[in-house]
Amino acid sequence: EAGVTQFPSHSVIEKGQTVTLRCDPISGHDNLYWYRRVMGKEIKFLLHFVKESKQDESGMPNNRFLAERTGGTYSTLKVQPAELEDSGVYFCASSQVRSGLGGVEQFFGPGTRLTVL
Amino acid sequence: ELKVEQNPLFLSMQEGKNYTIYCNYSTTSDRLYWYRQDPGKSLESLFVLLSNGAVKQEGRLMASLDTKARLSTLHITAAVHDLSATYFCAVELDNYGQNFVFGPGTRLSVLP
Repeated sequence: EAGVTQFPSHSVIEKGQTVTLRCDPISGHDNLYWYRRVMGKEIKFLLHFVKESKQDESGMPNNRFLAERTGGTYSTLKVQPAELEDSGVYFCASSQVRSGLGGVEQFFGPGTRLTVL
Repeated sequence: ELKVEQNPLFLSMQEGKNYTIYCNYSTTSDRLYWYRQDPGKSLESLFVLLSNGAVKQEGRLMASLDTKARLSTLHITAAVHDLSATYFCAVELDNYGQNFVFGPGTRLSVLP
């Protein structure tokens, strides 16, 4: 079974440009999450989709970030225009729907390393 | 705002030794997760702890959760080089959105 994939693995852009990151979750996983790790800092939650709906986008830094998950399959995260402080590693994760009061096992992708110059 | 702390942040230990990584968090939660990350790789789920007193073991790693103390531990027994990685704990906020707050990670190096 294929895991969570992300594209591209690396992206180097100039300040002011636009970048779109893509995440393909594990097939059948309704939950999809985006996280970001800025150099030297913690992994920060950005948002959570359930199918195509945004369940929680409280972690999105500002309106330069736009996430979509049309059709409830893959997701994109667009940064427009990119700023220097947006540099970091962007992780995507997916999980199945929680069963009862159980936990949620997230499966992470390898991340996209974004560098804004 | 929920804060998650880990101690230590860096750990260098010799093979065969035992050590414990601590994860403290600042608000109530009954769900805590441990992940491992190898350099350049994705995070791998290790343990899911769902209640006070939960203990789980896998190989040389054992994790426990004390929700009253807001503390989880990851104990390493007789460390081997293959355990070298960064270990993260993450706390799930008690809300519908499944928002997870991660600790800063503990970078473990096991030396021969």
